[in-house]
Amino acid sequence: ETGVTQTPRHLVMGMTNKKSLKCEQHLGHNAMYWYKQSAKKPLELMFVYNFKEQTENNSVPSRFSPECPNSSHLFLHLHTLQPEDSALYLCASSPGGGGTDTQYFGPGTRLTVL
Amino acid sequence: QQQVKQSPQSLIVQKGGISIINCAYENTAFDYFPWYQQFPGKGPALLIAIRPDVSEKKEGRFTISFNKSAKQFSLHIMDSQPGDSATYFCAASMGSGGGADGLTFGKGTHLIIQP
Repeated sequence: ETGVTQTPRHLVMGMTNKKSLKCEQHLGHNAMYWYKQSAKKPLELMFVYNFKEQTENNSVPSRFSPECPNSSHLFLHLHTLQPEDSALYLCASSPGGGGTDTQYFGPGTRLTVL
Repeated sequence: QQQVKQSPQSLIVQKGGISIINCAYENTAFDYFPWYQQFPGKGPALLIAIRPDVSEKKEGRFTISFNKSAKQFSLHIMDSQPGDSATYFCAASMGSGGGADGLTFGKGTHLIIQP
């Protein structure tokens, strides 16, 4: 499971803080994704990057800001979050170029907003 | 609006029994249907997937049954084992779009296999 790594694994932040989540994939993939996993709710797609270009923003509030500097790295910048943003944030990657490509998930970052 | 509905929310099965999880979708543009397995502290991992041009796909003890007209698909786990205890998610995407497509997930089923 070292194909997709996420740091930090746990993060506690106040509503006025600014923090960033990092995802790195070692699989040579070209597509990367951010998902949000909350209790009692389906995994929610947040952002999709394909060949470093953002191809989907699933109506995510602007307090979440993604960045994809290259096809191996994906960041999620967080600022002025709300307590309801507390969740497990999952990064995934896929070879890219096709929706039937298997998506490989990282272990997630457990975020708590106080 | 939930586009993929999954049931049951939780399931307890005796060792050696058959575990069955059901999903229904609304968007007829979906044409790729994977199932993911998630253990505590881990990210989801692909278990098995199907395209709508076939009605069934089997890999070892895991089988997907697909009913295109009813817009339903299900996961069957034969000879369920304690190691199968996990959360299972069905998902769907428009796989033929040509680009990278995010997955639309069901809410998940927490499966417990009792020894």
